Amino acid sequence: DAKTTQPPSMDCAEGRAANLPCNHSTISGNEYVYWYRQIHSQGPQYIIHGLKNNETNEMASLIITEDRKSSTLILPHATLRDTAVYYCIVRVPNAGNNRKLIWGLGTSLAVNP
Amino acid sequence: GAVVSQHPSWVICKSGTSVKIECRSLDFQATTMFWYRQFPKQSLMLMATSNEGSKATYEQGVEKDKFLINHASLTLSTLTVTSAHPEDSSFYICSATGAGTSVFEQYFGPGTRLTVT
Repeated sequence: DAKTTQPPSMDCAEGRAANLPCNHSTISGNEYVYWYRQIHSQGPQYIIHGLKNNETNEMASLIITEDRKSSTLILPHATLRDTAVYYCIVRVPNAGNNRKLIWGLGTSLAVNP
Repeated sequence: GAVVSQHPSWVICKSGTSVKIECRSLDFQATTMFWYRQFPKQSLMLMATSNEGSKATYEQGVEKDKFLINHASLTLSTLTVTSAHPEDSSFYICSATGAGTSVFEQYFGPGTRLTVT
């Protein structure tokens, strides 16, 4: 089962910031939080990841609470092309050096004009 | 960099036939490849993990004799759906990690839409 919970859907106005929450209250100390997104009928796209500190890249910012039990993905200026399903994933160890990703249902973000 | 392709992008086959889906890493050596299946409005379900030159590790509930995975080279993995049935119709996605890529990312292919009639 997925170790994260996300709201099933959200709306955002074009040009505004989109803040997508994720709860991962059972996360372990060495597990990372990852965010991917999937535009309809395409493969997922990596966005960002973090362990403890807040992270920022050209796509988004990731804010992780101090207790690491939740995080928020921020798209600072959402565009119509950001309409997608956003997945918050906790990375768990798999056999050997493989790192399995456990996917939940994600948040379907609709960016409206 | 780190591009993964899949072929075909969509395929229609008749019930009882087999279909092969290819997953290629175009600019890196994929030591590990993952195969996922996704039904409409559902999340990705990991089917199996394959390391180059080794047998694939299948997730619980995935029939290894029905979904044959071959990872014979560092740039190619194939998934063969044998004796396909309509319930096998789904979106199949591969991802890869490997030498020269970020240890934090899996790089995903664009997916293959399989329809079994």
